[in-house]
Amino acid sequence: ETGVTQTPRHLVMGMTNKKSLKCEQHLGHNAMYWYKQSAKKPLELMFVYSLEERVENNSVPSRFSPECPNSSHLFLHLHTLQPEDSALYLCASSQRTGGIPAFFGQGTRLTVV
Amino acid sequence: QQQVKQSPQSLIVQKGGISIINCAYENTAFDYFPWYQQFPGKGPALLIAIRPDVSEKKEGRFTISFNKSAKQFSLHIMDSQPGDSATYFCAASGSSGSARQLTFGSGTQLTVLP
Repeated sequence: ETGVTQTPRHLVMGMTNKKSLKCEQHLGHNAMYWYKQSAKKPLELMFVYSLEERVENNSVPSRFSPECPNSSHLFLHLHTLQPEDSALYLCASSQRTGGIPAFFGQGTRLTVV
Repeated sequence: QQQVKQSPQSLIVQKGGISIINCAYENTAFDYFPWYQQFPGKGPALLIAIRPDVSEKKEGRFTISFNKSAKQFSLHIMDSQPGDSATYFCAASGSSGSARQLTFGSGTQLTVLP
């Protein structure tokens, strides 16, 4: 295990639902990330949190809302998603706030119906 | 200009052979080039990385070769093993390794036959 844990592993939700993805790391890292992985597309950075402060959102639609209550936990709140939002959502962390992700969680496979 | 082009899309190698995955970039501001390995059902994991001031970096059976003038870099897996079967992603970043400027390739699915 990488030390980055994501729940749930799989999620099916309707377009009118509200759900949340959870990520947890106990590596003592200072930065956490949300990435989107779609089939046959490069990994896309969605959000970066450094020392609990959001530093990048990469123009992600507002139907995705991140929350970082402390340096060990990261959430991605989802509402009124579209079918094209179906993908694998990956959380990652790094020790250095200006660094690149070193450890990724196993991801949440999201299907929007 | 931010794109990182990776090839091949899939690769099949016999056990003991050499696996080679190539990547090319255009943005000359990139100055940190990591490779990630992703097994089925798992998230990617940082495998090895190189800075452009060296032409080669080796860690065990994994070697990155870097050609700054051609703006190309490649991953070589020597003595490939079935346990190496995974998807490999190259990436490039500016600002000495910043996630905010980390651009990924589209991935190469490697299968090593026993």
